[in-house]
Amino acid sequence: QVQLVESGGGVVQPGGSLRLSCAASGFTFSSYGMHWVRQAPGKGLEWVAFIRYDGSNKYCADSVKGRFTISRDTSKNTLYLQMNSLRAEDTAVYYCAKYEHRTGAFQHWGQGTLVTVSS
Amino acid sequence: SYELTQPPSVSVSPGQTARITCSGDALPRQYAYWYQQKPGQAPVMVIYTDSERPSGIPERFSGSSSGTTVTLTISGVQAEDEADYYCQSADSFNWVFGGGTKLTVL
Repeated sequence: QVQLVESGGGVVQPGGSLRLSCAASGFTFSSYGMHWVRQAPGKGLEWVAFIRYDGSNKYCADSVKGRFTISRDTSKNTLYLQMNSLRAEDTAVYYCAKYEHRTGAFQHWGQGTLVTVSS
Repeated sequence: SYELTQPPSVSVSPGQTARITCSGDALPRQYAYWYQQKPGQAPVMVIYTDSERPSGIPERFSGSSSGTTVTLTISGVQAEDEADYYCQSADSFNWVFGGGTKLTVL
């Protein structure tokens, strides 16, 4: 079955950097686009970034543009989110999600990893 | 920027029908999706492309669309349906979630 396991979260100071990983299994990773979605404590879901199945196109939310970069390594079946210039408002649980291109749905989600930006 | 609007909360008694709405200008031309999230858990898709139900989701969950509003309907609500529900859509490679609706089963 599809499994998505995020890692790399933790506590970081404002202005710092962090790289999140999402290990994928149970499906052909190279055939699917992938998203990052975040959820601040007690708040709703916010889309962060998307990468096409082949890495040819990437899109990100205005709130993270220029600071966050999404990437993927097909040889490792792993999705990444490089987060730079972190701010307190980036504090959230970060989820990776498998994108079903035929329906447009966030079909499967990982359990998330918590990022806390605090001094 | 594109926005989706949901009511913050909906309350129903067990066995009744819950309806959660989601409004957005692009909904007449873009599909909507619904996700259920229980405390401490990841979201789970319950409806895709406005009205399709994934395998494993109970038949009491249904979706509909009319103009700029989509609706998630839960018929015969059960205690286990108490959760946050989020609508989601997309417009020009910008994916958007509604603010979420907390469904309380009285």
